[in-house]
Amino acid sequence: NAGVMQNPRHLVRRRGQEARLRCSPMKGHSHVYWYRQLPEEGLKFMVYLQKENIIDESGMPKERFSAEFPKEGPSILRIQQVVRGDSAAYFCASSSIQTGYGEQFFGPGTRLTVL
Amino acid sequence: ELKVEQNPLFLSMQEGKNYTIYCNYSTTSDRLYWYRQDPGKSLESLFVLLSNGAVKQEGRLMASLDTKARLSTLHITAAVHDLSATYFCAVDHSGGGADGLTFGKGTHLIIQP
Repeated sequence: NAGVMQNPRHLVRRRGQEARLRCSPMKGHSHVYWYRQLPEEGLKFMVYLQKENIIDESGMPKERFSAEFPKEGPSILRIQQVVRGDSAAYFCASSSIQTGYGEQFFGPGTRLTVL
Repeated sequence: ELKVEQNPLFLSMQEGKNYTIYCNYSTTSDRLYWYRQDPGKSLESLFVLLSNGAVKQEGRLMASLDTKARLSTLHITAAVHDLSATYFCAVDHSGGGADGLTFGKGTHLIIQP
């Protein structure tokens, strides 16, 4: 059973470009979460999605950031017009409510560098 | 706003010693998670604590939860070098599972021979 998959693992963008980060949850998991980790910091919750629905986006910046989890395919975190402050590691996690306690399993992360 | 505080944030200890990491949180929750992160790596789930008084042990690590005090501890017994990592505690927003997690800042643990 493959774990949570993220790609790309490393992404370099120049200021003003767009960044697209992909996440495929574990098989059987229908809940996806995105977190951002700045150097030497803990993870900050960004958004929680189920298939075709955004459940909680209270941690998402109001501008330039968006997320989706379509019926088919991976979840996508999109950052438009990136700035240097967007440089961070972005982790995706998935869970299944059927486990009974919502334990989240994390992917390997995408390390975004904005030049 | 839910706040999660860990202490200490940095800990250097010798092999063979015992130590405890503390995790306090600000609002009611019955679910607390401990994760381990090695440098440049993802997070590995260590423990899920689901109720008041829960205690779980895996090897040299033992975690406990006191929901009344809003406190969890991660105890390290007879530390070995392989346990060097950053340890995070996390609490889910609603306390009911299937929600975004709020993380502490992490405890950077270095175990020296």
